[in-house]
Amino acid sequence: GQNIDQPTEMTATEGAIVQINCTYQTSGFNGLFWYQQHAGEAPTFLSYNVLDGLEEKGRFSSFLSRSKGYSYLLLKELQMKDSASYLCAVRENVVLTGGGNKLTFGTGTQLKVEL
Amino acid sequence: DSGVTQTPKHLITATGQRVTLRCSPRSGDLSVYWYQQSLDQGLQFLIQYYNGEERAKGNILERFSAQQFPDLHSELNLSSLELGDSALYFCASSVASAQETQYFGPGTRLLVL
Repeated sequence: GQNIDQPTEMTATEGAIVQINCTYQTSGFNGLFWYQQHAGEAPTFLSYNVLDGLEEKGRFSSFLSRSKGYSYLLLKELQMKDSASYLCAVRENVVLTGGGNKLTFGTGTQLKVEL
Repeated sequence: DSGVTQTPKHLITATGQRVTLRCSPRSGDLSVYWYQQSLDQGLQFLIQYYNGEERAKGNILERFSAQQFPDLHSELNLSSLELGDSALYFCASSVASAQETQYFGPGTRLLVL
């Protein structure tokens, strides 16, 4: 099985940098995803890590340490529209799923960006 | 817009009833996934189909079933509905089965009264 932990809420100031952490325990790791979700809307893909290190994509970066079961999402130059829930999701090893693509999501971190 | 479409957007029904939710994947995607999102449970994986065949299963209730048709659209059937089934139901799709990013549709909001 899998267990994923994220902070429930965070608050940051417009223009600042915020780091959202995610820790996980899994019986078979095959990648970690970050999604953004505005209330009542679909999750939107932000980033994907399968190897250790940092992946940068514009204002968003994501880091992974497989040995520590740890990832973070870094958001720079925060904008008001970044106020949303950020979901960390872990993909199970394909062998365990019989060739499937099963994602287990954390409960999400609600980020509030203030002026 | 992810390219994944879901109908209906909203659905209100009564306990004990049966409903069908529909999903059309992005053009070229062979896999579809169903998720349930309720306030207290977060986003929960239900089931995955790849090119018409079931590929991975989550904690899907026996009252729920799904299928993927030859044109690759998928339907999620929910029967003997209970109040606790009220939730957002998302469909996602990906190109292949095991290694691809999933893109989510806008969801169907189900309210069971």
